[in-house]
Amino acid sequence: AQKVTQAQTEISVVEKEDVTLDCVYETRDTTYYLFWYKQPPSGELVFLIRRNSFDEQNEISGRYSWNFQKSTSSFNFTITASQVVDSAVYFCALSEANYGGATNKLIFGTGTLLAVQP
Amino acid sequence: AAGVIQSPRHLIKEKRETATLKCYPIPRHDTVYWYQQGPGQDPQFLISFYEKMQSDKGSIPDRFSAQQFSDYHSELNMSSLELGDSALYFCASSRRLGAGELFFGEGSRLTVL
Repeated sequence: AQKVTQAQTEISVVEKEDVTLDCVYETRDTTYYLFWYKQPPSGELVFLIRRNSFDEQNEISGRYSWNFQKSTSSFNFTITASQVVDSAVYFCALSEANYGGATNKLIFGTGTLLAVQP
Repeated sequence: AAGVIQSPRHLIKEKRETATLKCYPIPRHDTVYWYQQGPGQDPQFLISFYEKMQSDKGSIPDRFSAQQFSDYHSELNMSSLELGDSALYFCASSRRLGAGELFFGEGSRLTVL
């Protein structure tokens, strides 16, 4: 069975600190997709990244970076120099693959609430 | 850039009533997905459609039904509403059965009294 674990329920940091959100997943599939979404207080789900299981390259996008390690089944997310606007719930998610790509039948983790204090 | 459009954004219904949520996917996206997020919970997959056919099914109650129309918009119909149906309902869209990224709408918040 597929499962996503985000062990950190809440994290509080002070602005400009770096913070890493952990994500550990379980799947028996050899091909799968991993996602991160941000849910600010307004409620929408904002797409951050999608990564397939064959691409283990780490990715950096501005202050965001992702570390994908298949050996430990982890897909961690780091925010560098955090800002108050980063305050949100962050969800890690896992999807099976189909012939077109991802099924997008996402299995979400329980989310990590990040609070960035000024 | 155009995003996934959901309507209504907020809906209040009484128990046993019926509700319909609408979703307009991003242009050129042919696959839509419905998710339900209860208070303090993570989103749960309900159902998806590709080219107007159901492509996958999750934990959708029998009281709920959905369809995708020829213009690719989708509607989620919920009948005999229960208090536990109060949730944020997200629609998402992607190209061709998940070939591209999955983008969510802003959600429709249903409150059942």
